[in-house]
Formats: sequence, structure tokens, C-alpha cells
Amino acid sequence: GAVVSQHPSWVICKSGTSVKIECRSLDFQATTMFWYRQFPKQSLMLMATSNEGSKATYEQGVEKDKFLINHASLTLSTLTVTSAHPEDSSFYICSARIGTGAPTDTQYFGPGTRLTVL
Amino acid sequence: AQSVAQPEDQVNVAEGNPLTVKCTYSVSGNPYLFWYVQYPNRGLQFLLKYITGDNLVKGSYGFEAEFNKSQTSFHLKKPSALVSDSALYFCAVRDAWNYGQNFVFGPGTRLSVLP
Repeated sequence: GAVVSQHPSWVICKSGTSVKIECRSLDFQATTMFWYRQFPKQSLMLMATSNEGSKATYEQGVEKDKFLINHASLTLSTLTVTSAHPEDSSFYICSARIGTGAPTDTQYFGPGTRLTVL
Repeated sequence: AQSVAQPEDQVNVAEGNPLTVKCTYSVSGNPYLFWYVQYPNRGLQFLLKYITGDNLVKGSYGFEAEFNKSQTSFHLKKPSALVSDSALYFCAVRDAWNYGQNFVFGPGTRLSVLP
């Protein structure tokens, strides 16, 4: 149980195009999903918290107009990187939280999406 | 503010030997502590968590971790390492006083198990 999928697993795009990444909780409903970015040999950096049916909450320094997040259902959140540039190349990981927001909740992570912008 | 430190960037251990990956934390209230493992080009997999109760927590793949409140530590251990345990390990903490708060992750420790 508690499986989170991401699609695509990797994507290569040209500079200036937009890329959409999907995150799905396969066997549970997630009222809250999170999007992270990971640079090589570094820890995860939280980009935003996505709550079903409401606007995402972005971390300081993350451009909300560049990284569009939609959480349309309890099992799907999407991250769209708009007008991508080479500096947006990174490993993007989503996670879904099981629970009601208590500190004891476990988060389950997707396998990640490697984005390369040429 | 809460923080997590993993003092070792890299840990090398021979297959069959015990392994320890260290984690120390700082929180205002009571800590809820988690360990995750990341294999190359993959997301994080949950290993175990400490919420309350017994200080020794057993998790997936034979891993366990010991919570030590006086030393503010939550070291990950395994009695006998396997080559397949080679991966990146992350310690994470939440503060029990902050409902709805996300994890704070440590910087990660790369474990290499040598055959």
C-alpha cells in the first residue's frame, strides 16, 4: 500500500517550452501533496505544498507563476514548469501525506522526474 | 526552529559488518523522527519512524533506529550490511508542537557497502 507514482519519469525539452509532471497516489487519498526539487548530491528542497481544491502554498523564493501546481482531486497533483530554461533542469519529486496533518503522519514519495532543459 | 544534521557525508562499510548512519536533531517540542532511503534516480522510500514509546524502532529491510533524547540523536543501524543497502539515506524531523508542518530533512548520507 501507499504507492505514489509520477509521470513522466524523465523528460527532455527545449528552452521556452512548458512541461507538466503528474503525481498520483495510487491506493489512498491524499489531501496534501508536496513538491520537492533535488539538485545533484543535495538534499530535498521543498517547493510547495498542494492541498486538494485550494491554491498551493509556495516556499519562499519559489516562483509561483513559473511552477504552476494544481491539485484537482484527492489522488492527483500536477506541477507545470512554464517557459522552462536550462537552470530549471533538476530532479523533481512529489510526496503525498497520509493523515490529517498531524506531525506523526508519514509521507510517501514518488519515484521522481528528471527534467533536462536544452 | 527545527533542524537536522547528518554529520557524515559518506559511510563505507564492508558487507556483513554492522552499519550506523548518524542523525542529530533540534526541535522546540517533542520530535517525530523519520528515516528514508533513496536509490539512484528514484524517490525516497520510507524506512521507519519514531513517534513515542520504545526508543528502539524497527523498520523495513532489517533496519532499526535508536532514539536518544539526551543526545538528541536518532541513529540508523543494521546488524549486517548488504551490498544492496548502498544508497542515500535521509533523516527527517517534525516538531510535535507544529501541526501541519512539513519535514525538515537532513543533508543526506551516502552509504557504500563494499563486497
